[in-house]
Amino acid sequence: GDSVTQMEGPVTLSEEAFLTINCTYTATGYPSLFWYVQYPGEGLQLLLKATKADDKGSNKGFEATYRKETTSFHLEKGSVQVSDSAVYFCALSDRVGGKLIFGQGTELSVKP
Amino acid sequence: DTAVSQTPKYLVTQMGNDKSIKCEQNLGHDTMYWYKQDSKKFLKIMFSYNNKELIINETVPNRFSPKSPDKAHLNLHINSLELGDSAVYFCASSPSQGASNEQFFGPGTRLTVL
Repeated sequence: GDSVTQMEGPVTLSEEAFLTINCTYTATGYPSLFWYVQYPGEGLQLLLKATKADDKGSNKGFEATYRKETTSFHLEKGSVQVSDSAVYFCALSDRVGGKLIFGQGTELSVKP
Repeated sequence: DTAVSQTPKYLVTQMGNDKSIKCEQNLGHDTMYWYKQDSKKFLKIMFSYNNKELIINETVPNRFSPKSPDKAHLNLHINSLELGDSAVYFCASSPSQGASNEQFFGPGTRLTVL
């Protein structure tokens, strides 16, 4: 079945460092891909998405490109802030009912 | 103003009890979901409803019974609670079943079974 694998956390960075969180997927067909973010004690919020190959999603300085050839959707940000500390989830959307299949989440901690 | 709301936020109960979690969305969406987040923060779909009809039942034990009285509400009733049911339960909604739609999540209900 469809699945998502993302890099293990926790990831600890200093403020203004470059961030990459790797995400790869396995799917039949052409899923939509998402990054969701979960701040402490809150529900998930959509960070960005891409719905077809070579699309780039971007929001709040974060970017990810849908790479069909490598089945990847890596999250990047050029300069992280303390306020970016959260758990980041890569996900794909299954065509059956639109359900989201999540990776295991990567906890990011940014130190001043 | 809350888009997707859940009650209660915290639920502590004994093994064997029956409990319910309520979810409401004011976004006018057609599709609603329940997800379970375990202690390692892994999220897994449980159910999906579209216009009050069950679309997805992801091999969840029969003790879990969702109910959708109208398309703005999706409640989750759990019978005979077990220790392994302890988790955070998230409700979500989206405009339709389309795979490219953003899902909007509620704040979660932390269930602790003692």
